[in-house]
Amino acid sequence: DSGVTQTPKHLITATGQRVTLRCSPRSGDLSVYWYQQSLDQGLQFLIQYYNGEERAKGNILERFSAQQFPDLHSELNLSSLELGDSALYFCASSPQVGGDYGYTFGSGTRLTVV
Amino acid sequence: DQQVKQNSPSLSVQEGRISILNCDYTNSMFDYFLWYKKYPAEGPTFLISISSIKDKNEDGRFTVFLNKSAKHLSLHIVPSQPGDSAVYFCAATSGAGSYQLTFGKGTKLSVIP
Repeated sequence: DSGVTQTPKHLITATGQRVTLRCSPRSGDLSVYWYQQSLDQGLQFLIQYYNGEERAKGNILERFSAQQFPDLHSELNLSSLELGDSALYFCASSPQVGGDYGYTFGSGTRLTVV
Repeated sequence: DQQVKQNSPSLSVQEGRISILNCDYTNSMFDYFLWYKKYPAEGPTFLISISSIKDKNEDGRFTVFLNKSAKHLSLHIVPSQPGDSAVYFCAATSGAGSYQLTFGKGTKLSVIP
């Protein structure tokens, strides 16, 4: 157990639907990162939050949004889902906005859009 | 535009021998490099890292070499063990700013007993 908890582990939904992925960071970590891993692709950075505020954005689609709550857990919202959104979504956390590059990853949420 | 490339999707090595995983990058701003290991149904786990001011970093059986002029790094595992069988991701960051990591597509290492 890495200490980063992601729920649900698996999600199957239809095109056009909206889903919410949840991440609880490791205790004490203030930064949360979201990554997407599509088939045969490396992990693609989506977005980073630090202590409740958005810190950086990667190639995140406008249909996707995220937030980090006062208790530091984070949610990634995916809407108007398309078949191509099927992927593994990983959350990672680190203690600070930077400096410690050894992110701790969760085990991921596998999203299947049918 | 893939800024971090792992050109070998897979690698098979005999137990006890050396495993060498390679990674190339194109962005000159990258100054910190990491290797992650990933088992099926788990998230990536940090393995070892190297700063651009060094050319080698060692941690037990794992050594990372950095050749800045060639924009190339490699991970050596000696001796390889069956438990090392996993997907290995190379990642890089420019350090300044958000500290987001840019990952390669990974190399699947199989260590044969």
